[in-house]
Amino acid sequence: DAGITQSPRHKVTETGTPVTLRCHQTENHRYMYWYRQDPGHGLRLIHYSYGVKDTDKGEVSDGYSVSRSKTEDFLLTLESATSSQTSVYFCASRLDPYNSPLHFGNGTRLTVT
Amino acid sequence: AQTVTQSQPEMSVQEAETVTLSCTYDTSESNYYLFWYKQPPSRQMILVIRQEAYKQQNATENRFSVNFQKAAKSFSLKISDSQLGDTAMYFCAQGPYGGSQGNLIFGKGTKLSVKP
Repeated sequence: DAGITQSPRHKVTETGTPVTLRCHQTENHRYMYWYRQDPGHGLRLIHYSYGVKDTDKGEVSDGYSVSRSKTEDFLLTLESATSSQTSVYFCASRLDPYNSPLHFGNGTRLTVT
Repeated sequence: AQTVTQSQPEMSVQEAETVTLSCTYDTSESNYYLFWYKQPPSRQMILVIRQEAYKQQNATENRFSVNFQKAAKSFSLKISDSQLGDTAMYFCAQGPYGGSQGNLIFGKGTKLSVKP
């Protein structure tokens, strides 16, 4: 695929702790995205980035923040994890907003206890 | 607002038979793209097929083809000669051509089981 690596693959954390998920892509894609996947909801956009230091909120951004200091890295932070943030998180990247498809990482399963 | 609806939460098909997954969408954009993604139990998201809205010809990729009805805003996926490896969640997605966001809107998915 487009060389997108997410870390960690799995994580269990306690309510109230901060958590950072990492996404690294090697394709020099300008656009990057964080989605969460929950049963019955499909994939919902949390935050996205359209360039270094250029980010914006998606559909379900409350409780999440992101940073993009380099083209290849996009970090998702849960400032204070809650049980409702238990989910599978996907990072994706895209070359341009035209006909190029989204390329996905393998996801991070996060459990907040 | 853009929406994507997949009305079939689950479907099953016998190996070697043909199955069609439904997808409808709503958008105010005049030019856009449509995609089908497959998610097997491994959790990986795999692009199956894509369709440019300005093209009347339906896209085809080997055993996978679409029936794109622009006026009806319908984008169904047909899988011919179903194989056990086709067992997966299938997501329909839609996004505008261009724009600052480049985001795709996803449906809730259809879980397809291929039975031997």
